[in-house]
Amino acid sequence: AQSVSQHNHHVILSEAASLELGCNYSYGGTVNLFWYVQYPGQHLQLLLKYFSGDPLVKGIKGFEAEFIKSKFSFNLRKPSVQWSDTAEYFCAGSSNTGKLIFGQGTTLQVKP
Amino acid sequence: DGGITQSPKYLFRKEGQNVTLSCEQNLNHDAMYWYRQDPGQGLRLIYYSQIVNDFQKGDIAEGYSVSREKKESFPLTVTSAQKNPTAFYLCASSPGAQPNYGYTFGSGTRLTVV
Repeated sequence: AQSVSQHNHHVILSEAASLELGCNYSYGGTVNLFWYVQYPGQHLQLLLKYFSGDPLVKGIKGFEAEFIKSKFSFNLRKPSVQWSDTAEYFCAGSSNTGKLIFGQGTTLQVKP
Repeated sequence: DGGITQSPKYLFRKEGQNVTLSCEQNLNHDAMYWYRQDPGQGLRLIYYSQIVNDFQKGDIAEGYSVSREKKESFPLTVTSAQKNPTAFYLCASSPGAQPNYGYTFGSGTRLTVV
């Protein structure tokens, strides 16, 4: 069965620390991967997506993610987090059906 | 502005009652989706519709029903058969069923069974 898993459920960082959130997927065929963010009290927003081409994808607000096919991974990174990055982050993937399958989510808390 | 409107934002229901959550989009998107969000479980797909008058069960469809009579509307009914209905419900849409489309999400409805 297709699945997406996120390793870290709750991450606490100080401002200016570097961030890496893990995401692994387990399905074959066409792979389309996404990272969404949900700020407190707001709706889910797309951070970035990968569907082909350069495996290093840059998104909004300084986030990037790297697709590593051999590791079935799509980890999210940011060199220096800010307090405003406090949010819940979801990795998601879709195959040929177009349906998005989400990971469990990672809550990021950035301390000022 | 184009977007997805979910209403109401908060909903309380007595046990044994059916309740319908509204989802309307003005993005002219063909596909619409309902997800349920629970802490630590991410988002799980309840139902989806890729075209008007057609819909498919997702991973956790038991106890829910939907309709798609109009392109812009995809209401979700939580029936009394749903054993654990208290949750945050998110509606989403995408231009089509092609896998590289991302979704646009509504702001959600928080349902509480009292």
